[in-house]
Amino acid sequence: AQSVTQLDSHVSVSEGTPVLLRCNYSSSYSPSLFWYVQHPNKGLQLLLKYTSAATLVKGINGFEAEFKKSETSFHLTKPSAHMSDAAEYFCVVITGFQKLVFGTGTRLLVSP
Amino acid sequence: DTAVSQTPKYLVTQMGNDKSIKCEQNLGHDTMYWYKQDSKKFLKIMFSYNNKELIINETVPNRFSPKSPDKAHLNLHINSLELGDSAVYFCASSQATITEAFFGQGTRLTVV
Repeated sequence: AQSVTQLDSHVSVSEGTPVLLRCNYSSSYSPSLFWYVQHPNKGLQLLLKYTSAATLVKGINGFEAEFKKSETSFHLTKPSAHMSDAAEYFCVVITGFQKLVFGTGTRLLVSP
Repeated sequence: DTAVSQTPKYLVTQMGNDKSIKCEQNLGHDTMYWYKQDSKKFLKIMFSYNNKELIINETVPNRFSPKSPDKAHLNLHINSLELGDSAVYFCASSQATITEAFFGQGTRLTVV
């Protein structure tokens, strides 16, 4: 069954430093993968998606993710963190049963 | 223009009551969902409808009954509310069952 594992429950960075949020997936075939962001008391916003086209996917707000089949990873990165990036980030896979399966989330904390 | 809108945003009610949450999408999507987010931020699908037909029904108590009067609406009715039903409920829609979903702002349900 398809699933995703987010390796860190919390990540702390300083403003202006790089961000790395890690996600590993498990799938018997080429998966569709997404990253969503949830700001406090807000809904979920799609950051980017991978659907078997280019392995490096660019999203909104300067985020990008690279699909690495050999490592079964889909890590989210940003070169320089901004205070407004502080939020909960979810790695998501679509399963063969046609539903989105969410990872457990990574809380990104950005300090000045 | 709000793409996926839910009402109400907050709902506080007593145990044993019956309540409904409404959801509407103006994206022209065929598929709509209900997700539940627990206190640890974990998101899990409850139901999925495609063209008003139920296609996913996770192991949700039958006190929860979704209703889709048309493709643009998916309402969630909950009978005999229990303390454990307290959570944030998200409505979402997608163009098809294998693409990314767009989420509403969520309804925070508190059962007292």
